[in-house]
Amino acid sequence: EVQLLESGGGLVQPGGSLRLSCAPSGFDFNNYAMSWVRQAPGKGLEWVSTISASGYSTYYADSLKGRLTISRDKSKSTLYLQINSLRVEDTAVYYCAKHRSAVYDAFDIWGQGTMVTVSS
Amino acid sequence: DIQMTQSPSTLSASIGDRVTITCRASQNISTWLAWYQQKAGKAPKFLIYKASSLESAVPSRFSGSGSGTEFTLTISSLQPDDFATYYCQQYSTYSRTFGQGTKLEIK
Repeated sequence: EVQLLESGGGLVQPGGSLRLSCAPSGFDFNNYAMSWVRQAPGKGLEWVSTISASGYSTYYADSLKGRLTISRDKSKSTLYLQINSLRVEDTAVYYCAKHRSAVYDAFDIWGQGTMVTVSS
Repeated sequence: DIQMTQSPSTLSASIGDRVTITCRASQNISTWLAWYQQKAGKAPKFLIYKASSLESAVPSRFSGSGSGTEFTLTISSLQPDDFATYYCQQYSTYSRTFGQGTKLEIK
């Protein structure tokens, strides 16, 4: 079964940092672009970042640019999202998502999400 | 960024009804549009890509249409499992954007 499992969320103080992880199973991770999408409590979906299958191309939402680093480790088959200088408004469920194929494609598989709470 | 606007925001319907949700893009996105279904507390589920292509295992009562700036998601005969929130998403640019969502409620 094709699955994505996120981890790394939790409670963090404003100004802190977190690294989220996403572990895939059931498909060849190295062949697909991947993204992160977040959803604040009671709100809609917001695209956060995308990385190509090779890892050479990365893309970030303008509202978050400068505070994010998306990366992937082929040897560990894991996707990461580093978020720095966390703000209260970053509180959300963060989902990782697999692209159908390339960067410019829809998301066909989503993880269950990991909750990030930014609060003092 | 391309803005995506869905209407209506909330839709009340009954089992067996035919319903249509509209998604408008602020500029031409060809057919680079996807639809997702999300139930409360769950991850989104992928339904449709390239505006009208149904993902495998998605029931045939779901259909999508449109191109350019106007798109629709139609459910031909509502089933109890279909009551959820639906999102459109454009992926014509790397800065992909979602609509604000349409909540489909039981009348």
